[in-house]
Amino acid sequence: DGGITQSPKYLFRKEGQNVTLSCEQNLNHDAMYWYRQDPGQGLRLIYYSQIVNDFQKGDIAEGYSVSREKKESFPLTVTSAQKNPTAFYLCASRKTGGSQETQYFGPGTRLLVL
Amino acid sequence: GESVGLHLPTLSVQEGDNSIINCAYSNSASDYFIWYKQESGKGPQFIIDIRSNMDKRQGQRVTVLLNKTVKHLSLQIAATQPGDSAVYFCAENNYGQNFVFGPGTRLSVLP
Repeated sequence: DGGITQSPKYLFRKEGQNVTLSCEQNLNHDAMYWYRQDPGQGLRLIYYSQIVNDFQKGDIAEGYSVSREKKESFPLTVTSAQKNPTAFYLCASRKTGGSQETQYFGPGTRLLVL
Repeated sequence: GESVGLHLPTLSVQEGDNSIINCAYSNSASDYFIWYKQESGKGPQFIIDIRSNMDKRQGQRVTVLLNKTVKHLSLQIAATQPGDSAVYFCAENNYGQNFVFGPGTRLSVLP
């Protein structure tokens, strides 16, 4: 059963704590993405990766970090430097980073601050 | 900067009627567009896409229309059902660059 999985579904963060959101895909897609979704706003790009061991900052990368050690995995760390982390986080992937390729999303992780 | 937007943030329709959700885009160089459906607490689900060399594409109960002259995209849903209630996003892509998403339109289907 192919797809994109994200875990956990809900995540609670204490002040000053780093937390890591998991994203895995078995679609054999090269490109992976992390978005942040806030109520009433469009998706905003945090980081993206076109190939293994390479990634680029998106529009709102400050306070976040990523790694891409495996093609299937693209974890996102929300660091203590991110002062307003409460949001719905969405991971996505595409076959390649080229034009006219559909982007598919995972089910999301909701991050809440204690 | 370039952006994707929606004319109506909320749309209410009677069950069985047709729905039309609109989207305006500002980047005339965009060559690929996608409509997504997002139910509460879930990730966006792909509905239908269209390339800039087309002006219409049909799926099951859905049709996407692209008017490049006025940079307008619409999603038509035939015989709207309660299960169609969700937020609908359009997204544009400019020759392989990252997607730009609008804030979405909430579709509410009335019994």
